Amino acid sequence: AQRVTQPEKLLSVFKGAPVELKCNYSYSGSPELFWYVQYSRQRLQLLLRHISRESIKGFTADLNKGETSFHLKKPFAQEEDSAMYYCALRKGGSEKLVFGKGTKLTVNP
Amino acid sequence: GAVVSQHPSRVICKSGTSVKIECRSLDFQATTMFWYRQFPKKSLMLMATSNEGSKATYEQGVEKDKFLINHASLTLSTLTVTSAHPEDSSFYICSAGRGTDTQYFGPGTRLTVL
Repeated sequence: AQRVTQPEKLLSVFKGAPVELKCNYSYSGSPELFWYVQYSRQRLQLLLRHISRESIKGFTADLNKGETSFHLKKPFAQEEDSAMYYCALRKGGSEKLVFGKGTKLTVNP
Repeated sequence: GAVVSQHPSRVICKSGTSVKIECRSLDFQATTMFWYRQFPKKSLMLMATSNEGSKATYEQGVEKDKFLINHASLTLSTLTVTSAHPEDSSFYICSAGRGTDTQYFGPGTRLTVL
């Protein structure tokens, strides 16, 4: 079965510092990986997906199949980046998403 | 992105009653809608997948007779929690999508069963 692991429940950094939110997955096939973000009192929204290989709000994530990881990175964190971040996996050809437990990022001034 | 709404945003009910939650895709036709449950400080757990005009597919461990899902049109799916009990209190979130396209999430419904 597929599984997504986000080892950090909480992550706190200072404004301007680099940030990395870790995500590891287990799946034997070719997955699609996503990062979703949920700002305070807002709905879950897609941040980025690995197949698009784009940078959104300064965030990037690279799929490392050897390490089965899809870590989310930003070189200079901003206070408005404070939110819950969820990593998610989808099997190839499937519609269903499997979510990690999320990491709460706090960017301090 | 597309907009998905949920109604009501929060509901409080007595134990033993049934509660219906609506999920609507406002500006696109969703062939598939998903229902999730989110416990405090935990991840989203997929409950079921519903396709328009067909029976929902429930995840293992989810009671289909307790959580009735209807997907009558390409823009509306409903989740009915039947004979609700306090342990059903949770945050219920729907999402809508078309095949393997991006899923768009609703704002969620907070259910409290007294």
